[in-house]
Amino acid sequence: SSELTQDPAVSVALGQTVRITCQGDSLRSYYASWYQQKPGQAPVLVIYGKNNRPSGIPDRFSGSSSGNTASLTITGAQAEDEADYYCNSRDSSGNLWVFGGGTKLTVL
Amino acid sequence: QVQLVQSGAEVKKPGASVKVSCKASGYTFTSYDINWVRQATGQGLEWMGWMNPNSGNTGYAQKFQGRVTMTRNTSISTAYMELSSLRSEDTAVYYCARVRRLSVSLEPWGQGTLVTVSS
Repeated sequence: SSELTQDPAVSVALGQTVRITCQGDSLRSYYASWYQQKPGQAPVLVIYGKNNRPSGIPDRFSGSSSGNTASLTITGAQAEDEADYYCNSRDSSGNLWVFGGGTKLTVL
Repeated sequence: QVQLVQSGAEVKKPGASVKVSCKASGYTFTSYDINWVRQATGQGLEWMGWMNPNSGNTGYAQKFQGRVTMTRNTSISTAYMELSSLRSEDTAVYYCARVRRLSVSLEPWGQGTLVTVSS
């Protein structure tokens, strides 16, 4: 079992806003990062730190955190956003890393 | 551009070892940690460990302690991940990824290496 917990699946209507969450005790001390993975491809970093987007990531992706929960928000979801999303951060000891179980996002 | 290129697919028998390479280009290899992550078919991402290419220091997930070794050859900007005592459950795509400075995040990722363990 993962120290970071994500909902297995979430759906959103095209153009609407969706929030994907990640829960874990270590998130009280460390930021989460978020990755998008499409079938047959390597993961791509979409959010890191407090709320930072790597170059080339659309500004409809944003991140936030409160207590033991980190969130990835997609404002105005597009068809191409349909993918698996993973959070990652440090584990409860702070010495190692861990991934959440992943959330499959379906855009309806 | 920053790029990580991994070695090709491997087929191994149970009990054998596999060594996957990850060649870095476009940046100073010794300035950024490298992490290894694996993904079984249809499953999520699983963090395996990290290596500092400058010092050679490593840290491994408890699950892989005693079976995984992460090394590097700085002269050719290449990191390696060796996993021993392979079993069928180790069949997965193995990724290397560079740590983004001052954050717990990975960018970019290698293209992945499929390791199949089968008798």
